[in-house]
Amino acid sequence: DVKVTQSSRYLVKRTGEKVFLECVQDMDHENMFWYRQDPGLGLRLIYFSYDVKMKEKGDIPEGYSVSREKKERFSLILESASTNQTSMYLCASSPKGQHYGYTFGSGTRLTVV
Amino acid sequence: DQQVKQNSPSLSVQEGRISILNCDYTNSMFDYFLWYKKYPAEGPTFLISISSIKDKNEDGRFTVFLNKSAKHLSLHIVPSQPGDSAVYFCAASALALYFQGAQKLVFGQGTRLTINP
Repeated sequence: DVKVTQSSRYLVKRTGEKVFLECVQDMDHENMFWYRQDPGLGLRLIYFSYDVKMKEKGDIPEGYSVSREKKERFSLILESASTNQTSMYLCASSPKGQHYGYTFGSGTRLTVV
Repeated sequence: DQQVKQNSPSLSVQEGRISILNCDYTNSMFDYFLWYKKYPAEGPTFLISISSIKDKNEDGRFTVFLNKSAKHLSLHIVPSQPGDSAVYFCAASALALYFQGAQKLVFGQGTRLTINP
């Protein structure tokens, strides 16, 4: 069964901490994405990567960075966590090409206190 | 600004009846539309899609209708079943959002569908 796996289901971090969210896919997909889901706002794109070491900003990149050192792994980094980054974070992957849907992970619910 | 809008945050339907979920968009460059379904504590899963060259696509109990002139699409579920209770997201893509082989999607806010027995 093909999968996108997010390492943590729930995380609680303190304001100012550096936070790493990890995502691994086993489908050999070229593209990987990080979204956050907030009530009333839907899913918003933070960053995406189309190849190893290649990354592009999405719609809301401020306060975040990413790393893709291996094809299967895409990490989201909160440099200094703030309470407004409390959210559900969803990782997704897709093959190269247009009109492919995403395969999503189960999400990480991050609470920053 | 929200380019893809799902104006109904929630919808309640009787089991066996038709569920109609609506989605409006503002960007006329969107040429491909998708619906995702999300259960609590799970990631969204792909349900059905439609290209802008079509006005209807069917897959079993699920049908998506596209009205390009109104910039409106809808998802029909017939008959509705209790397992259909979930949050449904509408998403759209365009050539302008295609970069280096990666297709970015723009999502709506989601509609929570509850099917009552």
